[in-house]
Amino acid sequence: DAGVTQSPTHLIKTRGQQVTLRCSPKSGHDTVSWYQQALGQGPQFIFQYYEEEERQRGNFPDRFSGHQFPNYSSELNVNALLLGDSALYLCASSGYRGGEVGVGANVLTFGAGSRLTVL
Amino acid sequence: AQKVTQAQTEISVVEKEDVTLDCVYETRDTTYYLFWYKQPPSGELVFLIRRNSFDEQNEISGRYSWNFQKSTSSFNFTITASQVVDSAVYFCALSDYSGGYQKVTFGTGTKLQVIP
Repeated sequence: DAGVTQSPTHLIKTRGQQVTLRCSPKSGHDTVSWYQQALGQGPQFIFQYYEEEERQRGNFPDRFSGHQFPNYSSELNVNALLLGDSALYLCASSGYRGGEVGVGANVLTFGAGSRLTVL
Repeated sequence: AQKVTQAQTEISVVEKEDVTLDCVYETRDTTYYLFWYKQPPSGELVFLIRRNSFDEQNEISGRYSWNFQKSTSSFNFTITASQVVDSAVYFCALSDYSGGYQKVTFGTGTKLQVIP
């Protein structure tokens, strides 16, 4: 059973560029959350997608946007990159198709992340 | 607002020593869940345990044990007889049902180094 897969694993961009990160959730999961983890910090919530809609958003600017596709996979887009956007971007999936039980109890299954370096 | 504090940024122990990782949380909700995740150097966070706010029973799983005390808003994690493979960053997280959706807040993590 495949877990959460993310691509690319590493990438380098320059300031002002745009980047797209991709995530395929664990089989059976329908909710995708994105987190930003700066060096030495804990994951910070960016946003969450369910049924192809953004249903929650953390304290991140509009330069961060996303999308969820009918097959539950997701993309994270960051425009006008800043040096401070350099981080590990983690995708986490949760939930089960057909309905969730005890939503607050959902265990997040994480991918290995995409490490973005902005020069 | 939710908050999770892991005051220990780095801990080093010699193999076979016991080690306790501290976690203190803040929430106004009466129903919530607490988690511990492990992040090895590969980067992928791995789920270790989940507790709900109504279950204060301590739990033991092999060399791992967890002490949940609602009165002090703490959810501490102990590794007994530590091993080199335990070296990783450990995150405590708090989850509630905010606005109808799950909201998870992570602490800043504790880096554990087990020295052979």
